[in-house]
Amino acid sequence: DTGVSQNPRHKITKRGQNVTFRCDPISEHNRLYWYRQTLGQGPEFLTYFQNEAQLEKSRLLSDRFSAERPKGSFSTLEIQRTEQGDSAMYLCASSFSAINAQYFGPGTRLTVT
Amino acid sequence: GIQVEQSPPDLILQEGANSTLRCNFSDSVNNLQWFHQNPWGQLINLFYIPSGTKQNGRLSATTVATERYSLLYISSSQTTDSGVYFCAAPVYGGATNKLIFGTGTLLAVQP
Repeated sequence: DTGVSQNPRHKITKRGQNVTFRCDPISEHNRLYWYRQTLGQGPEFLTYFQNEAQLEKSRLLSDRFSAERPKGSFSTLEIQRTEQGDSAMYLCASSFSAINAQYFGPGTRLTVT
Repeated sequence: GIQVEQSPPDLILQEGANSTLRCNFSDSVNNLQWFHQNPWGQLINLFYIPSGTKQNGRLSATTVATERYSLLYISSSQTTDSGVYFCAAPVYGGATNKLIFGTGTLLAVQP
């Protein structure tokens, strides 16, 4: 069990650029989640996959955000035309089933200048 | 939707002291999770607890689901316990599956 991994760990980009983050879940977990955390707050849910199907998207996920999970394995989160308000820690988690504990990766810290 | 509140927001302890962190939730939950977020941002699983008490070394957690609260006990605190402690309530059913986090308790353990 190697845990959830995320890449890159840090990303600095200029406003207006596109960025893409990757998450590799624990291998036997078919549920995958993305959260966003801003300074001084708890993580907030963005989206949820069961295998390759994206089943729920938060209202926080504007049309500039897109997430995919091809083949039900790793997932990518893309932000188009980044804004300074997108600066946050983006966290990925996975779980074996809906009622099992979620395990988090180390996060990708995004800074938009 | 469910609301999760944590108290206290901040806590400063001397090494060796004990502490209790509280998590209140507005609706019934099935399996509350407690996390420790270290200074690098990593969320570390502490407990996954539907009800009753679980213990792991110097840490223990008690959830009283009928009264909608959970307590995290830290005994003989160490400087490595510093960081932010979050509780999170799961919401699932149908296509919904997510954790709702509290605002956290920032713990600083001083040597």
